[in-house]
Amino acid sequence: DADVTQTPRNRITKTGKRIMLECSQTKGHDRMYWYRQDPGLGLRLIYYSFDVKDINKGEISDGYSVSRQAQAKFSLSLESAIPNQTALYFCATSGAGVGQETQYFGPGTRLLVL
Amino acid sequence: AQSVTQLDSQVPVFEEAPVELRCNYSSSVSVYLFWYVQYPNQGLQLLLKYLSGSTLVKGINGFEAEFNKSQTSFHLRKPSVHISDTAEYFCAVSDYSGGYQKVTFGTGTKLQVIP
Repeated sequence: DADVTQTPRNRITKTGKRIMLECSQTKGHDRMYWYRQDPGLGLRLIYYSFDVKDINKGEISDGYSVSRQAQAKFSLSLESAIPNQTALYFCATSGAGVGQETQYFGPGTRLLVL
Repeated sequence: AQSVTQLDSQVPVFEEAPVELRCNYSSSVSVYLFWYVQYPNQGLQLLLKYLSGSTLVKGINGFEAEFNKSQTSFHLRKPSVHISDTAEYFCAVSDYSGGYQKVTFGTGTKLQVIP
């Protein structure tokens, strides 16, 4: 079984709808991240969480919110989806401390906002 | 602030030829450097990383990278590519400025191996 899972894998929604993307991990990591990937722009960090009580904005958090329900679960919400939020979204995890910076990625969620 | 530059957005190369994917970074503190690979319709996975020690780092699938502090570079190389190496490659830099680990990814280089 995959260490980092994301649901759904694909989603089509309409402008103005609220949607939630979910991420679960079995790696036992404290740190979790949400990124979006757009062609030519690489990965950009939306939010990150270093533990259940520590949530921080990334470089492009506007229009997004997150919830860390447990160490293993980190969900991303789009409160009112807009077309320029069409992208590939990745969840990732990592350990804490020096030497544990490697990030482990989920398979991604492809989101289309009409 | 840290940044990562991958100047080549696409690199076509013939099968069994050597390849170098370039990565330059900037940071005001000591850094850790990574290369990740993304195969079609998959998430990213670690190819190799430099944390400390030897500047020549070997990774999976025959790839290697060399950390050059004076040139602030971490170029990825493979002496002979295979069709299965067709993927997108991302360079990333991590540091602990401000007490928090921060990771920044480059914009990616698509490697297209031509049979």
